[in-house]
Amino acid sequence: DAGVTQSPTHLIKTRGQQVTLRCSPKSGHDTVSWYQQALGQGPQFIFQYYEEEERQRGNFPDRFSGHQFPNYSSELNVNALLLGDSALYLCASSLGRNYQETQYFGPGTRLLVL
Amino acid sequence: AQTVTQSQPEMSVQEAETVTLSCTYDTSESNYYLFWYKQPPSRQMILVIRQEAYKQQNATENRFSVNFQKAAKSFSLKISDSQLGDTAMYFCAFIKGSSNTGKLIFGQGTTLQVKP
Repeated sequence: DAGVTQSPTHLIKTRGQQVTLRCSPKSGHDTVSWYQQALGQGPQFIFQYYEEEERQRGNFPDRFSGHQFPNYSSELNVNALLLGDSALYLCASSLGRNYQETQYFGPGTRLLVL
Repeated sequence: AQTVTQSQPEMSVQEAETVTLSCTYDTSESNYYLFWYKQPPSRQMILVIRQEAYKQQNATENRFSVNFQKAAKSFSLKISDSQLGDTAMYFCAFIKGSSNTGKLIFGQGTTLQVKP
Protein backbone atom coordinates (compact mmCIF):
# COMPACT_ATOMS: atom_id res chain seq x y z
CA ASP A 1 0.00 0.00 0.00
CA ALA A 2 1.77 3.14 -1.23
CA GLY A 3 1.89 5.96 1.28
CA VAL A 4 1.97 9.68 0.60
CA THR A 5 4.91 10.69 -1.56
CA GLN A 6 6.37 14.13 -2.17
CA SER A 7 8.95 15.56 -4.55
CA PRO A 8 11.49 16.94 -4.52
CA THR A 9 13.04 16.09 -1.14
CA HIS A 10 15.06 19.29 -0.94
CA LEU A 11 15.03 22.52 -2.89
CA ILE A 12 17.12 25.69 -2.83
CA LYS A 13 15.75 28.88 -4.39
CA THR A 14 16.55 32.57 -4.30
CA ARG A 15 14.27 35.40 -3.28
CA GLY A 16 11.74 36.36 -5.91
CA GLN A 17 11.76 33.00 -7.65
CA GLN A 18 8.83 30.65 -7.98
CA VAL A 19 8.65 27.04 -6.81
CA THR A 20 6.38 24.04 -7.42
CA LEU A 21 6.12 21.15 -4.98
CA ARG A 22 4.37 17.90 -5.77
CA CYS A 23 2.39 15.35 -3.80
CA SER A 24 0.84 11.98 -4.55
CA PRO A 25 -1.77 10.86 -2.02
CA LYS A 26 -1.97 7.52 -0.28
CA SER A 27 -3.62 4.87 -2.41
CA GLY A 28 -7.42 5.27 -2.26
CA HIS A 29 -7.34 8.81 -0.88
CA ASP A 30 -8.90 11.71 -2.76
CA THR A 31 -8.23 14.71 -0.52
CA VAL A 32 -4.94 16.54 -0.19
CA SER A 33 -3.94 19.13 2.40
CA TRP A 34 -0.77 21.21 2.50
CA TYR A 35 1.03 22.44 5.62
CA GLN A 36 4.05 24.64 6.24
CA GLN A 37 6.32 23.67 9.14
CA ALA A 38 8.95 26.14 10.29
CA LEU A 39 11.94 24.70 12.13
CA GLY A 40 11.02 23.58 15.63
CA GLN A 41 7.34 24.50 15.18
CA GLY A 42 4.09 22.70 14.57
CA PRO A 43 2.70 22.58 11.02
CA GLN A 44 0.46 25.42 9.83
CA PHE A 45 -2.44 24.69 7.46
CA ILE A 46 -2.12 26.24 4.00
CA PHE A 47 -5.10 24.76 2.11
CA GLN A 48 -7.02 21.62 1.25
CA TYR A 49 -8.09 20.23 -2.11
CA TYR A 50 -11.00 17.91 -2.82
CA GLU A 51 -12.51 17.04 -6.20
CA GLU A 52 -9.94 19.28 -7.88
CA GLU A 53 -11.10 22.37 -6.00
CA GLU A 54 -9.69 24.31 -3.07
CA ARG A 55 -12.29 23.80 -0.37
CA GLN A 56 -10.57 25.46 2.55
CA ARG A 57 -7.69 27.89 2.99
CA GLY A 58 -5.56 28.94 5.96
CA ASN A 59 -4.00 32.34 6.63
CA PHE A 60 -1.52 32.36 3.79
CA PRO A 61 -1.16 35.04 1.09
CA ASP A 62 -2.23 34.59 -2.50
CA ARG A 63 1.40 33.89 -3.41
CA PHE A 64 0.57 30.37 -2.25
CA SER A 65 -1.61 28.54 -4.75
CA GLY A 66 -2.33 24.97 -5.57
CA HIS A 67 -3.88 22.52 -7.90
CA GLN A 68 -5.32 19.04 -7.76
CA PHE A 69 -5.33 16.75 -10.76
CA PRO A 70 -7.93 14.14 -11.78
CA ASN A 71 -5.70 11.39 -10.35
CA TYR A 72 -5.88 13.25 -6.97
CA SER A 73 -2.21 14.25 -6.98
CA SER A 74 -1.54 17.86 -6.09
CA GLU A 75 0.89 20.72 -6.56
CA LEU A 76 1.74 23.61 -4.28
CA ASN A 77 3.04 26.73 -6.00
CA VAL A 78 4.70 29.62 -4.23
CA ASN A 79 5.46 32.81 -6.17
CA ALA A 80 7.79 35.70 -5.33
CA LEU A 81 9.63 33.69 -2.70
CA LEU A 82 10.63 35.39 0.54
CA LEU A 83 13.29 34.34 3.02
CA GLY A 84 10.49 33.56 5.46
CA ASP A 85 9.11 30.91 3.11
CA SER A 86 12.02 28.64 4.09
CA ALA A 87 10.36 25.68 5.79
CA LEU A 88 9.38 22.04 5.52
CA TYR A 89 6.28 21.70 3.35
CA LEU A 90 4.12 18.74 4.25
CA CYS A 91 1.41 17.15 2.20
CA ALA A 92 -1.28 15.07 3.87
CA SER A 93 -3.94 12.91 2.28
CA SER A 94 -7.28 11.69 3.55
CA LEU A 95 -10.42 10.07 2.26
CA GLY A 96 -13.58 11.66 1.13
CA ARG A 97 -16.10 14.34 1.78
CA ASN A 98 -15.90 13.89 5.57
CA TYR A 99 -13.60 16.68 6.65
CA GLN A 100 -12.60 14.92 9.85
CA GLU A 101 -11.03 11.84 8.31
CA THR A 102 -7.53 11.14 9.57
CA GLN A 103 -4.81 12.83 7.57
CA TYR A 104 -1.70 10.87 6.65
CA PHE A 105 1.47 12.80 5.97
CA GLY A 106 4.23 12.53 3.43
CA PRO A 107 7.94 12.96 4.18
CA GLY A 108 7.90 16.64 3.18
CA THR A 109 9.92 18.94 0.95
CA ARG A 110 12.56 21.06 2.62
CA LEU A 111 12.66 24.48 0.92
CA LEU A 112 15.50 26.89 1.54
CA VAL A 113 15.19 30.42 0.19
CA LEU A 114 18.45 32.40 -0.06
CA ALA B 1 -10.37 30.35 17.66
CA GLN B 2 -9.05 26.99 18.66
CA THR B 3 -5.60 26.65 20.18
CA VAL B 4 -3.46 23.69 21.19
CA THR B 5 -0.75 24.01 23.84
CA GLN B 6 2.07 21.62 24.62
CA SER B 7 3.85 22.98 27.65
CA GLN B 8 6.82 20.59 27.65
CA PRO B 9 9.28 21.54 24.89
CA GLU B 10 11.63 18.66 25.75
CA MET B 11 11.42 15.47 27.76
CA SER B 12 13.61 12.45 28.30
CA VAL B 13 12.94 8.94 29.59
CA GLN B 14 14.97 5.82 30.17
CA GLU B 15 14.36 2.88 27.91
CA ALA B 16 11.57 0.58 29.22
CA GLU B 17 10.12 3.28 31.47
CA THR B 18 6.84 5.14 31.10
CA VAL B 19 6.48 8.77 30.07
CA THR B 20 3.49 11.11 29.75
CA LEU B 21 3.31 14.03 27.34
CA SER B 22 0.87 16.84 28.10
CA CYS B 23 -1.51 18.66 25.78
CA THR B 24 -4.26 21.15 26.50
CA TYR B 25 -6.59 22.78 24.02
CA ASP B 26 -9.08 25.57 23.95
CA THR B 27 -12.34 25.35 22.05
CA SER B 28 -16.01 26.16 22.40
CA GLU B 29 -16.92 23.22 20.17
CA SER B 30 -18.53 20.12 21.63
CA ASN B 31 -17.72 17.86 18.70
CA TYR B 32 -14.11 17.49 17.69
CA TYR B 33 -11.27 15.04 17.21
CA LEU B 34 -7.84 14.93 18.80
CA PHE B 35 -4.68 13.33 17.51
CA TRP B 36 -1.14 12.58 18.53
CA TYR B 37 1.39 12.53 15.71
CA LYS B 38 5.03 11.45 15.95
CA GLN B 39 7.75 13.02 13.81
CA PRO B 40 11.06 11.11 14.07
CA PRO B 41 14.32 12.77 13.07
CA SER B 42 13.77 11.40 9.53
CA ARG B 43 10.80 13.83 9.58
CA GLN B 44 7.85 11.78 8.27
CA MET B 45 4.85 12.57 10.47
CA ILE B 46 3.17 9.36 11.67
CA LEU B 47 -0.24 9.04 13.30
CA VAL B 48 0.06 7.61 16.82
CA ILE B 49 -3.49 7.76 18.09
CA ARG B 50 -6.88 9.38 17.42
CA GLN B 51 -9.63 10.24 19.92
CA GLU B 52 -13.21 11.26 19.14
CA ALA B 53 -14.50 13.77 21.69
CA TYR B 54 -17.90 12.09 21.89
CA LYS B 55 -16.30 8.87 23.10
CA GLN B 56 -15.70 8.66 26.83
CA GLN B 57 -13.37 5.69 26.52
CA ASN B 58 -9.71 6.61 26.19
CA ALA B 59 -8.07 5.45 22.97
CA THR B 60 -5.21 2.97 23.12
CA GLU B 61 -2.82 1.67 20.49
CA ASN B 62 -0.41 -0.96 21.79
CA ARG B 63 2.06 0.85 24.10
CA PHE B 64 0.40 4.22 23.50
CA SER B 65 -2.65 5.41 25.39
CA VAL B 66 -4.32 8.72 26.07
CA ASN B 67 -5.92 10.32 29.09
CA PHE B 68 -8.75 12.41 27.65
CA GLN B 69 -10.32 14.79 30.12
CA LYS B 70 -12.98 16.68 28.16
CA ALA B 71 -14.06 19.03 30.93
CA ALA B 72 -10.47 20.02 31.62
CA LYS B 73 -9.69 20.15 27.88
CA SER B 74 -6.70 17.95 28.43
CA PHE B 75 -5.36 15.20 26.16
CA SER B 76 -2.16 13.59 27.42
CA LEU B 77 -0.25 10.75 25.77
CA LYS B 78 1.25 7.93 27.81
CA ILE B 79 4.01 5.82 26.31
CA SER B 80 4.65 2.59 28.20
CA ASP B 81 7.81 0.47 27.94
CA SER B 82 9.61 3.25 26.03
CA GLN B 83 11.84 2.13 23.18
CA LEU B 84 14.74 3.87 21.47
CA GLY B 85 12.58 4.14 18.34
CA ASP B 86 10.14 6.32 20.25
CA THR B 87 12.68 9.17 20.11
CA ALA B 88 10.89 11.85 18.10
CA MET B 89 9.00 15.09 18.21
CA TYR B 90 5.39 14.53 19.26
CA PHE B 91 2.58 16.82 18.17
CA CYS B 92 -0.89 17.10 19.61
CA ALA B 93 -3.50 18.19 17.05
CA PHE B 94 -7.17 19.20 17.00
CA ILE B 95 -9.83 19.30 14.31
CA LYS B 96 -13.40 20.57 14.61
CA GLY B 97 -16.05 17.95 14.04
CA SER B 98 -19.18 19.97 13.56
CA SER B 99 -18.31 22.22 10.67
CA ASN B 100 -16.81 22.06 7.24
CA THR B 101 -13.16 22.25 8.06
CA GLY B 102 -10.29 19.93 7.30
CA LYS B 103 -7.80 22.15 9.10
CA LEU B 104 -5.66 20.37 11.65
CA ILE B 105 -4.47 22.71 14.41
CA PHE B 106 -1.16 21.62 15.91
CA GLY B 107 0.61 22.36 19.15
CA GLN B 108 4.25 23.44 19.25
CA GLY B 109 5.47 19.92 19.84
CA THR B 110 7.40 18.03 22.53
CA THR B 111 10.79 16.55 21.73
CA LEU B 112 11.12 13.18 23.44
CA GLN B 113 14.51 11.51 23.90
CA VAL B 114 14.58 7.87 24.96
CA LYS B 115 17.89 7.04 26.60
CA PRO B 116 19.45 3.55 26.67
